[in-house]
Amino acid sequence: AQSVTQPDIHITVSEGASLELRCNYSYGATPYLFWYVQSPGQGLQLLLKYFSGDTLVQGIKGFEAEFKRSQSSFNLRKPSVHWSDAAEYFCAVGALSGGSYIPTFGRGTSLIVHP
Amino acid sequence: SQTIHQWPATLVQPVGSPLSLECTVEGTSNPNLYWYRQAAGRGLQLLFYSVGIGQISSEVPQNLSASRPQDRQFILSSKKLLLSDSGFYLCAWTQGYNEKLFFGSGTQLSVL
Repeated sequence: AQSVTQPDIHITVSEGASLELRCNYSYGATPYLFWYVQSPGQGLQLLLKYFSGDTLVQGIKGFEAEFKRSQSSFNLRKPSVHWSDAAEYFCAVGALSGGSYIPTFGRGTSLIVHP
Repeated sequence: SQTIHQWPATLVQPVGSPLSLECTVEGTSNPNLYWYRQAAGRGLQLLFYSVGIGQISSEVPQNLSASRPQDRQFILSSKKLLLSDSGFYLCAWTQGYNEKLFFGSGTQLSVL
């Protein structure tokens, strides 16, 4: 079965600093990879996704992520963080299980932005 | 365009009481439907998913059940709530095997 690990529970950065959120996955085939963002008390919104092709994918709000097959990683990056980026970030892998499509999420990383 | 409705937004229930959370999707047909639970600091746990009317798969054995009486309706239920059922419940749908999930706005359930 597939799994997702987000090793950092909390990340604190200063506004304007760069950001990298880590994500490692476990899946036997080429995965579908996603990053979602969740504001407090809300549902999740897709930031970006990777299916195939270029391993560096661009998303909304200035985010990007790089798929590294050799490291089973899909880390999320942003060159300059804004205070409005403070939220919970989830990495997810979509995989087929028993013929059904099962998206599996990591435990999330809470991003705190200091002014 | 497609929309997903989930209600209620918040719910406070006593232990032992029943539960019914409803989720409906508009603007699409035959979606894959999912119920997730989010406990503090524990990410999203998949509870149930459905690929069609009356087809429910459970990922985690527990005090909850799900039903899909109509193509675009997904219901999460319990006959007797436990304290451990407290959490943030999210309904989601997707159309295909490699598509992103569209999430509802969630239900914050507090069992007291």
